[in-house]
Amino acid sequence: GEQVEQRPPHLSVREGDSAVITCTYTDPNSYYFFWYKQEPGASLQLLMKVFSSTEINEGQGFTVLLNKKDKRLSLNLTAAHPGDSAAYFCAVPVTGNTRKLIFGLGTTLQVQP
Amino acid sequence: AQTIHQWPVAEIKAVGSPLSLGCTIKGKSSPNLYWYWQATGGTLQQLFYSITVGQVESVVQLNLSASRPKDDQFILSTEKLLLSHSGFYLCAWSLRVGAETLYFGSGTRLTVL
Repeated sequence: GEQVEQRPPHLSVREGDSAVITCTYTDPNSYYFFWYKQEPGASLQLLMKVFSSTEINEGQGFTVLLNKKDKRLSLNLTAAHPGDSAAYFCAVPVTGNTRKLIFGLGTTLQVQP
Repeated sequence: AQTIHQWPVAEIKAVGSPLSLGCTIKGKSSPNLYWYWQATGGTLQQLFYSITVGQVESVVQLNLSASRPKDDQFILSTEKLLLSHSGFYLCAWSLRVGAETLYFGSGTRLTVL
């Protein structure tokens, strides 16, 4: 079945630096993906939903890149600020059962002023 | 606009005691509903999902059960709590069509002592 590997588990950057979080998945038939942000003690907030038809997805202060050949999804925060400090999770639906979502192990990002 | 309400916000319970957590969705009829569990510092594990009243599918049971007594309500329960049940419980909803996005409630933090 589908497996998702997320790296790195922890990431510390300075304010204004970029931060990159990557997920690799195994099922070549996966056609949509999610990135969620979880601030400390809070619930999950949807950052972006990405379809396999689009390789570059622009958000507010971040870009999500999809490399279908390598089965890799990356979240790139272009100029991190302290408010970006949170845990980030990628999620991939199980092919054939979109009601089952597999989450990556998460990346805890700390942005230092 | 859809709202998702979880209760209680937090619980401290003794090992062996019963538990009931609830989730209500307003503003969306016949949603898919989900229960997720998150250990402290961990990723999300899907527990149950439901596509209609009275029907619940188990993904990982963890000695828990779920019920959907009404279209807008999802209940997670157990008669006997274990220490390993501690964590953050999240209810989520999605539309009943393909490529659904999951929207999460604010969660219930459970501490079992």
